[in-house]
Amino acid sequence: QVTLRESGPAVVKPAQTLTLTCTFSGFSLSTSGMCVSWIRQPPGKALEWLARIDWDDDKFYSTSLKTRLSISKDTSKNQVVVTMTNMDPADTATYYCARVLKAAVGVYYFDYWGQGTLVTVS
Amino acid sequence: SYELTQPPSVSVSPGQTASITCSGDKLGDKYVYWYQQKPGQSPILVIYEDNKRPSGIPERFSGSNSGNTAALTISGTQAMDEADYYCQTWDSTTAVFGPGTKVTVL
Repeated sequence: QVTLRESGPAVVKPAQTLTLTCTFSGFSLSTSGMCVSWIRQPPGKALEWLARIDWDDDKFYSTSLKTRLSISKDTSKNQVVVTMTNMDPADTATYYCARVLKAAVGVYYFDYWGQGTLVTVS
Repeated sequence: SYELTQPPSVSVSPGQTASITCSGDKLGDKYVYWYQQKPGQSPILVIYEDNKRPSGIPERFSGSNSGNTAALTISGTQAMDEADYYCQTWDSTTAVFGPGTKVTVL
């Protein structure tokens, strides 16, 4: 059974750095084809993809946010951490982590999602 | 940057067919995925690789993708299908979500 759970501060101040942890079970991020992404959703708005880390430690970032984001993994702890610098009230959102399955060449999808964690910048 | 377009809302009567479109430049050359999100819940995958249903997703959900437009079709729509639906694709190594479509079952 695959589960993911996000953890981190509920409130951060403007200009601070946000650090969120995704703790997962039911799969290993050292297994070929396994990836984890972070996605956020401001209240009442659409989903926005942030970053992805793959089993081989390849990392990919949103073009618009790449200068503020960093993603890393700790395979032994089954955790993925994302940091976002210089937080702004516009970054207030529910932040989700999700497993990304590489099902085939060029086929990646978010098949399991965490419950999300609301982060307020104020 | 790559953009996807969806209608903000779609209304459907119970038992009828709902169709949600997702448009993007040469979208048919990419794979499209669809996610359902109910209020207060996390998204769930309902269609992957244009037209495949994950285990547990009812057969009334189907997908297509050609040219510049992908579509999610819900046949025999039920009240439980009322939700926001997001299309998603990959532009190289960047995931792109559509703005979402709210499906209302009247």
